[in-house]
Amino acid sequence: EVQLVESGGDLVQPGRSLRLSCAASGFTFDHYAMHWVRQAPGKGPEWVAGINWNSGAKGYADSVKGRFTISRDNAKTSLYLLMNSLRPEDTAFYHCAKGQSSGWNSNWFDPWGQGTLVTVSS
Amino acid sequence: QSVLTQPPSVSGAPGQRVTISCTGSSSNIGAGHDVHWYQQLPGRAPKLLIYAYTNRPSGVPDRFSASKSGTSASLAITGLQAEDEAHYYCQSFDTSLSGSMIFGGGTKLTVL
Repeated sequence: EVQLVESGGDLVQPGRSLRLSCAASGFTFDHYAMHWVRQAPGKGPEWVAGINWNSGAKGYADSVKGRFTISRDNAKTSLYLLMNSLRPEDTAFYHCAKGQSSGWNSNWFDPWGQGTLVTVSS
Repeated sequence: QSVLTQPPSVSGAPGQRVTISCTGSSSNIGAGHDVHWYQQLPGRAPKLLIYAYTNRPSGVPDRFSASKSGTSASLAITGLQAEDEAHYYCQSFDTSLSGSMIFGGGTKLTVL
């Protein structure tokens, strides 16, 4: 069974940094692209970033470009999201999601982890 | 404002059929990019319902189906059941700028 477990969410002040992690199991991690998708309370999902199987290609939403960095460690079957210069509008549940091919673009997300909550507030 | 437009809400009685539309543009659905649909129950993460326009993952009942026409896609649910009450989201890829995965704003289905 595929499992994705996120961690690292916290309450942080605007302008600070935070690193999220996602531990993956139940599938051949280094065969698939991985993504971060966030969902603010009461809102729809918003794709944040995607990374291909070998970290050779990455994509970011315009809202986080230049501030967030997605990375992965295939040996540890883990996905990461480094978030810098956090803003109140970054407040959301952050879900790790598995892509369906090796490339990050034009995929669907299945499954999703349960998410970790990031709250940006002073 | 989402790049893909969905009606905020739809409703239907048990046993009825409802449809949820997802309207895009020439840089996403109209460019031939696949459309996928997700169901989100309260307090849960979204779950894949339909992928690549019309395909159902194992375990998804055939009461759920989807189609595409031009720059729009639709999700149809027949034989509505109380357990279908949830939020539904469409998702695709947009080739404008540097490319991005995009979602619709979501539709709340109420089973009357």
